[in-house]
Amino acid sequence: QKEVEQNSGPLSVPEGAIASLNCTYSDRGSQSFFWYRQYSGKSPELIMFIYSNGDKEDGRFTAQLNKASQYVSLLIRDSQPSDSATYLCAVHNFNKFYFGSGTKLNVKP
Amino acid sequence: DAGVIQSPRHEVTEMGQEVTLRCKPISGHNSLFWYRQTMMRGLELLIYFNNNVPIDDSGMPEDRFSAKMPNASFSTLKIQPSEPRDSAVYFCASSRDRAEQFFGPGTRLTVL
Repeated sequence: QKEVEQNSGPLSVPEGAIASLNCTYSDRGSQSFFWYRQYSGKSPELIMFIYSNGDKEDGRFTAQLNKASQYVSLLIRDSQPSDSATYLCAVHNFNKFYFGSGTKLNVKP
Repeated sequence: DAGVIQSPRHEVTEMGQEVTLRCKPISGHNSLFWYRQTMMRGLELLIYFNNNVPIDDSGMPEDRFSAKMPNASFSTLKIQPSEPRDSAVYFCASSRDRAEQFFGPGTRLTVL
């Protein structure tokens, strides 16, 4: 079992819709959770982080964390073609850092 | 502020040659990470330094790989001897106190 699991996609949504990206993790002691966006041929770019159960909103992005279910999600409202990228979920527990394999998102104009 | 700086951006070498990748973290960051990314295996953590000390090198694939951080502003990842299966994009990332990481542009390594 991988430490962080993501559906590889591609997830296709029309422009203006809500994109929902999901991630599960296996280490119950995990403390910090991150979402990175990676455009093709570029490096990962941090877009959100969350430490506590519940929701955290930043502009069009909302991160959701449920530690009991070991589940993290990222919602992108009003999706734009420029949001088309691979989204990586990352989990941190003290000195351990794990990345998921990423979900490819396509936003169709 | 300058972000994480990596050099070279591209490296093409022949099997058996030594390869050295370089990284300058963001000023003030005390944690530095080396990652390798391939289509097959995704993003893999190779080694992580905190305050210039290697904390976790369990991701280093084998003895051919070594990493150093002689000071807070410079790190190297060395592969000797290189093999075709080492071909990948190598990223360096830095953070403050193991928090959110900021990635460099990466070095695309091709071993022929």
